[in-house]
Amino acid sequence: NAGVTQTPKFQVLKTGQSMTLQCAQDMNHEYMSWYRQDPGMGLRLIHYSVGAGITDQGEVPNGYNVSRSTTEDFPLRLLSAAPSQTSVYFCASSTTWTGNEQFFGPGTRLTVL
Amino acid sequence: AQTVTQSQPEMSVQEAETVTLSCTYDTSENNYYLFWYKQPPSRQMILVIRQEAYKQQNATENRFSVNFQKAAKSFSLKISDSQLGDTAMYFCAFAHSNSGYALNFGKGTSLLVTP
Repeated sequence: NAGVTQTPKFQVLKTGQSMTLQCAQDMNHEYMSWYRQDPGMGLRLIHYSVGAGITDQGEVPNGYNVSRSTTEDFPLRLLSAAPSQTSVYFCASSTTWTGNEQFFGPGTRLTVL
Repeated sequence: AQTVTQSQPEMSVQEAETVTLSCTYDTSENNYYLFWYKQPPSRQMILVIRQEAYKQQNATENRFSVNFQKAAKSFSLKISDSQLGDTAMYFCAFAHSNSGYALNFGKGTSLLVTP
């Protein structure tokens, strides 16, 4: 199993550009989530999904969209990038069958100029 | 909304000694999960230990153990026989079914293990 994969690993955007951060898992987990990590802030939840076709907002959803058309994929879209979205982004997945441990991807470092 | 508080931004311990990291949380829920995650400089998030709130027995994983006080909403992590490889950021986190078991993190404690 590859676990949770994220692409790209690094990205530089200009203000106003849009892009999609990809996240995929091959463990058939029903739950997936996106977090951003900023210095001194820990990780904050952006959006989460409890299954294909079902998503909901987390603590900091503004400026981001998600969809979950399949169990495996959970892309995060930045609609119009802003410097405040410079951060490290983590995707994670989990299942109740393994005690809800979140399995994390390696992260994407995004810089918005 | 649940909040998770880690009151120690930085801690230091000598190799082979024991250190305790503090975590408190606030929730009105009765059944939930608590976690400690480790983040070394590689940035990878690694599960250290997990506790289900309905279990009274404190979880242990080798050198890592927790002191779970449900009434006090406290969830501290004890690291025994500290090793240089334990140097990392440690995050306490809360999860509940009403948010798809997504994690609500504290701001973290930076632990340095010195020789």
